[in-house]
Amino acid sequence: AQSVTQLDSHVSVSEGTPVLLRCNYSSSYSPSLFWYVQHPNKGLQLLLKYTSAATLVKGINGFEAEFKKSETSFHLTKPSAHMSDAAEYFCVVTPDTGGFKTIFGAGTRLFVKA
Amino acid sequence: DTGVSQNPRHKITKRGQNVTFRCDPISEHNRLYWYRQTLGQGPEFLTYFQNEAQLEKSRLLSDRFSAERPKGSFSTLEIQRTEQGDSAMYLCASSFQGGDQPQHFGDGTRLSIL
Repeated sequence: AQSVTQLDSHVSVSEGTPVLLRCNYSSSYSPSLFWYVQHPNKGLQLLLKYTSAATLVKGINGFEAEFKKSETSFHLTKPSAHMSDAAEYFCVVTPDTGGFKTIFGAGTRLFVKA
Repeated sequence: DTGVSQNPRHKITKRGQNVTFRCDPISEHNRLYWYRQTLGQGPEFLTYFQNEAQLEKSRLLSDRFSAERPKGSFSTLEIQRTEQGDSAMYLCASSFQGGDQPQHFGDGTRLSIL
């Protein structure tokens, strides 16, 4: 069975400080992992994806994530937060079986203080 | 690539009425997904199509819900005899086939039941 756990429902940082959003997963297969961002009243936008090519994945807007199989983690980081980063972030896993099943984490709301 | 388009963006209706939402996916994508998202939660899978075939439906999709994708292009999601609990954001996404393929989301249709 697959699952995704986002360890923090809310994270608050000051502008210019690092961001860490934590995600742990469980999967019976070699998973594909994604991070999406959702701004209010908008759909989800892909930040980055991991598909077994490289463990450190770079995405848009300065975000990156590191896949750690031993820890079953896929944490999202950014060196310096910007006010525009305030949004909801979702960690997502799909099985590497060509299937459709997509499991979303419950989301982490990022607040950025001026 | 014009992105995934959903219409209408907002729908307000009285309990017991029928509603229909439309999704126009990215034209090259053969997979189309419907999700429901309630406030403060991640998207919940409802159903998905590969081309015109509806291959999976969630148990969340009661017999009041029906989805179609004629000719493998746009899709419609209909809810009959709406109930208060149907109030949510309904998201559509499309992708190429494969678990490693990211889904591209529309901005959703927000349904409010009076």
